[in-house]
Amino acid sequence: DAGITQSPRHKVTETGTPVTLRCHQTENHRYMYWYRQDPGHGLRLIHYSYGVKDTDKGEVSDGYSVSRSKTEDFLLTLESATSSQTSVYFCAIRADRHTDTQYFGPGTRLTVL
Amino acid sequence: GESVGLHLPTLSVQEGDNSIINCAYSNSASDYFIWYKQESGKGPQFIIDIRSNMDKRQGQRVTVLLNKTVKHLSLQIAATQPGDSAVYFCAGDYGGGGNKLTFGTGTQLKVEL
Repeated sequence: DAGITQSPRHKVTETGTPVTLRCHQTENHRYMYWYRQDPGHGLRLIHYSYGVKDTDKGEVSDGYSVSRSKTEDFLLTLESATSSQTSVYFCAIRADRHTDTQYFGPGTRLTVL
Repeated sequence: GESVGLHLPTLSVQEGDNSIINCAYSNSASDYFIWYKQESGKGPQFIIDIRSNMDKRQGQRVTVLLNKTVKHLSLQIAATQPGDSAVYFCAGDYGGGGNKLTFGTGTQLKVEL
């Protein structure tokens, strides 16, 4: 998994509660990404980061926020979880701007009841 | 908008046969395509990539072919093995500088013994 860990791996929560997912990488890569994967859809980009404190929105950013205070950690927060955010969330990294390939972590399965 | 990865949902092959997984895309502007493999419960795993200035690229037991005229990408797996059973999907980079890949929904490859 390219030195990427995600925590928790599974979470069940209730509608309206805040949830934070963590992505941790050990190889000092500059770019980090959060995706969600749902049946019938390809992976969809939520937010990404191109450096510490530098982030940008992806295709499906509504309802999500991110933070990156250290190179190794990229946090995804659902401020008030909804059932539509039930999904599998993947973190990915890309080494630098000269490298195109993204490598993925093992994923977090989130269920919002 | 761009779309990539118009896949057949399922492909069944006999062990030892060659597999061909296809992907169509709608926008010619991508300069980079990637194939990923995803086993059940795991994150996507990079297989092989190809740039738009190439027609073919080979890896270990895999070959990717790019036909820009008909906007078609294929992944060929030689001597398919049970361990190749997974979902395969393609992704394209439409000028996002590597940050905004568009992913297809994937083809489930089933290897029959």
